[in-house]
Amino acid sequence: KNQVEQSPQSLIILEGKNCTLQCNYTVSPFSNLRWYKQDTGRGPVSLTIMTFSENTKSNGRYTATLDADTKQSSLHITASQLSDSASYICVVSAPYSGGGADGLTFGKGTHLIIQP
Amino acid sequence: NAGVTQTPKFQVLKTGQSMTLQCAQDMNHNSMYWYRQDPGMGLRLIYYSASEGTTDKGEVPNGYNVSRLNKREFSLRLESAAPSQTSVYFCASGGPLAGVDNEQFFGPGTRLTVL
Repeated sequence: KNQVEQSPQSLIILEGKNCTLQCNYTVSPFSNLRWYKQDTGRGPVSLTIMTFSENTKSNGRYTATLDADTKQSSLHITASQLSDSASYICVVSAPYSGGGADGLTFGKGTHLIIQP
Repeated sequence: NAGVTQTPKFQVLKTGQSMTLQCAQDMNHNSMYWYRQDPGMGLRLIYYSASEGTTDKGEVPNGYNVSRLNKREFSLRLESAAPSQTSVYFCASGGPLAGVDNEQFFGPGTRLTVL
């Protein structure tokens, strides 16, 4: 069964510090991996997408990496701000799955708290 | 553009009551989805609609029904609510489940409590 494991479950850091969130997956075959940010009380919003051939992608202070060989991804946040407090969800997609629900596998998320 | 809208935002039901959660999108997406999010469980797919006129079961469909009323609207119905259905429900629209064009755009959620 396809699985996506995220670590840590929760993380507290001081404003201005950097942090790295991890995502390990067993989805095979693999098409792409997305990181979503979910603010409290709101729906998730896509931050970045990584395809099989990409190793690194940046979106402002967010940098995602992908190692397709080891099936690991990370999301690095630089110079954290209070507005970065949120849950970060890793979502892995298979190639066309024939319409089956297993085309998309969600991680449970990392809850990040930035303290002033 | 409003994106994805959901109504209501909050709802309290008694066990056995029924209700319909409404969802609409104005982004002309073919696919629409209903998820539930529970603490420690992450997002789980209830039902999805790959196009107008089609619906399919997701990971946790029991106790729910859906209707794809037209391209814009996708509703979720609880016929006889149970306490286990207490959750936050998210509607989303976007690309297909699989493949690179699969970004999903989520609504603000409906927080449902079943007593």
